Amino acid sequence: QLVLTQSPSASATLGASVKLTCTLSSGHSSYAIAWHQQQPEKGPRYLMKVNVDGSHSKGDGIPDRFSGSSSGTERYLTISSLQSEDEADYYCQTWGTGIWVFGGGTKLTVL
Amino acid sequence: EVQLVESGGDLIQPGGSLRLSCAASGFTFSTYSMIWVRQAPGKGLEWVSHIDSSGTTIYYADSVKGRFTISRDNAKNSLYLQINSLRPEDTAVYYCAREDRYCSSSTCYEVPYYFDYWGQGTLVAVSS
Repeated sequence: QLVLTQSPSASATLGASVKLTCTLSSGHSSYAIAWHQQQPEKGPRYLMKVNVDGSHSKGDGIPDRFSGSSSGTERYLTISSLQSEDEADYYCQTWGTGIWVFGGGTKLTVL
Repeated sequence: EVQLVESGGDLIQPGGSLRLSCAASGFTFSTYSMIWVRQAPGKGLEWVSHIDSSGTTIYYADSVKGRFTISRDNAKNSLYLQINSLRPEDTAVYYCAREDRYCSSSTCYEVPYYFDYWGQGTLVAVSS
């Protein structure tokens, strides 16, 4: 079964960096994923696609502070030089034939 | 600029019906698959339904199969979701999203993929 697992919460200091993790279920280590950001009271926004080799392609207007990487069944989103507007929920998403799956989301708090 | 604008959300009694709409602009709507995703209050995102560009291939999440119907009108650049037999657990903000296409050597294909643009959502509240 295709499942994505995320930690419910993370926190980091303004100006610092944070690395969020999305873990693919066993047997799905070759899958790419996408990261989406949802700021409070807003709709989601596509950030980037992260491939199994760690390469990533970002959406329109996504700052260079956002980057993606990969290792085994884990896909990462790294945000550097944290700003207050980065405080949001972050969801990973993947796909298969006839199925699209989201992780449970990570709530990022910027201290 | 790609824009997706949902409408049609309302407060409705259990067992009722509702039709949600999503107006698309800024891209060639007839060449992209489209998606509905919902988010219950305080919860995460849940994929609901998918329709390909021609309206031929349709998928539903198990939680809505038999009650929800997705459709599209490419002449009107519009996506729809007909929701019947509403239950309290259907209470959520409903988002439409565009599914990106896989492109290689100047040719693009509709394949299962990620969602690259989202609307702002429309609230469906089911309560007596």
